[in-house]
Amino acid sequence: ETGVTQSPTHLIKTRGQQVTLRCSSQSGHNTVSWYQQALGQGPQFIFQYYREEENGRGNFPPRFSGLQFPNYSSELNVNALELDDSALYLCASSSRGLSSYEQYFGPGTRLTVT
Amino acid sequence: KQEVTQIPAALSVPEGENLVLNCSFTDSAIYNLQWFRQDPGKGLTSLLLIQSSQREQTSGRLNASLDKSSGRSTLYIAASQPGDSATYLCAVYTGANSKLTFGKGITLSVRP
Repeated sequence: ETGVTQSPTHLIKTRGQQVTLRCSSQSGHNTVSWYQQALGQGPQFIFQYYREEENGRGNFPPRFSGLQFPNYSSELNVNALELDDSALYLCASSSRGLSSYEQYFGPGTRLTVT
Repeated sequence: KQEVTQIPAALSVPEGENLVLNCSFTDSAIYNLQWFRQDPGKGLTSLLLIQSSQREQTSGRLNASLDKSSGRSTLYIAASQPGDSATYLCAVYTGANSKLTFGKGITLSVRP
C-alpha cells in the first residue's frame, strides 16, 4: 500500500510569484485535505477536495486554490506569494467510505518566500 | 468555533518515566480525535484515533483516552525512551467544514 506523497520537498520562491504543490493520496482514498503549518504552530486547514469538488474551506484567501484529479491526486496553487506564506504545507488523504474519517498525512512541502 | 489546547508547550523527562500528555477542546460535538507525532521538519504520523463513541485506544506503549463530555483527551506513554522525543499534536474532527482542528502541540524531550 502506497502512502501519501508530496512534491517538491522544498521550494524557495520570491514574493509575488505563484507556486504549485502536488499530492498523491494513499491508495484507496478519495478525499484530500491541505493544511498550512507555520513554525511552532499546529496545522491550519486550507481546504478539502472530494470527487474533484471543494468540500470545505478554512479561513484562507482566494489566492489559495486547488484541484483534485480523477485519480484523487491533488494540487495546491498559491498566487501572489507573501512572506507569511512561508510554511510547511501538508496534504492528508482519507476515505469517505470509512466511518472513522482517519486522515493520513504526507511528508510535507517546505515553502520559503523571500 | 472549535479550539484545541495543549499544555504545556514543552516537556523534558528522564528515560523510563511514564508520562501523560493532555489535550482539551471546546466543542464536544466531535466525530473523532487523533493523536499525531511530528519529528522536526517532517510530516505527521498518526499514532491513535479515538472515535467519539470510544473511551480509549491502545497501541504498544501508547494509550489514549477520550472524555468527550468534559472536552479532554490524554495520551499516556509508558516507559519513555529517547526515541520518543518529538512534538505530539492532538486534533479533533467535527465534520463541520470537513476539517481537523489541531492544538499547537507538546514538544517532548526524553533525556537518556
